[in-house]
Amino acid sequence: AQSVSQHNHHVILSEAASLELGCNYSYGGTVNLFWYVQYPGQHLQLLLKYFSGDPLVKGIKGFEAEFIKSKFSFNLRKPSVQWSDTAEYFCAVNAASGTYKYIFGTGTRLKVLA
Amino acid sequence: GAGVSQSPSNKVTEKGKDVELRCDPISGHTALYWYRQSLGQGLEFLIYFQGNSAPDKSGLPSDRFSAERTGGSVSTLTIQRTQQEDSAVYLCASSPGTETYEQYFGPGTRLTVT
Repeated sequence: AQSVSQHNHHVILSEAASLELGCNYSYGGTVNLFWYVQYPGQHLQLLLKYFSGDPLVKGIKGFEAEFIKSKFSFNLRKPSVQWSDTAEYFCAVNAASGTYKYIFGTGTRLKVLA
Repeated sequence: GAGVSQSPSNKVTEKGKDVELRCDPISGHTALYWYRQSLGQGLEFLIYFQGNSAPDKSGLPSDRFSAERTGGSVSTLTIQRTQQEDSAVYLCASSPGTETYEQYFGPGTRLTVT
């Protein structure tokens, strides 16, 4: 069965620090990968996604993620975080075989100190 | 345009009562999902509907949970004989059902079982 692991449950950073949130999945086939973000009091929204092609994908607000197939990883990065990046971040995987089912990780709560 | 809407936004019910949660997806979206979000548990997949295909019910935790989608649009998640462990935020999402696979989330219904 597919699963998604996010190893960092809570992260606290100061503004301008660099961010990397880990995401590993277990599935042997081709996958579609996503990062979603939930800002305080807001809906979950898509941050970025990977389907194929360049394994380094860029999303909104300066975020990027790198798909490393050999490591089954899709880590999220941002060179310099801002206070407004305080949110909960979820990694998700979908088996690219025509199924519409997603598996989400448990989420990482990021707090950025001003 | 209008996003995914859910009602009620909050529901408090007594243990043993039945509850119905409603989701109105984005018009034209063929895929509809229900998730449960509990503290520290991330997003737990419950069920999804795709067009006229049979729904994938593999995430429903027990036979007390059921869902239907009428006319390919509005969906209702029903929990019978609620238990305290059912307390959570129930999220609905819809997707265009194309290869993009991006999901658009509603604001959720916070269910509290007393």
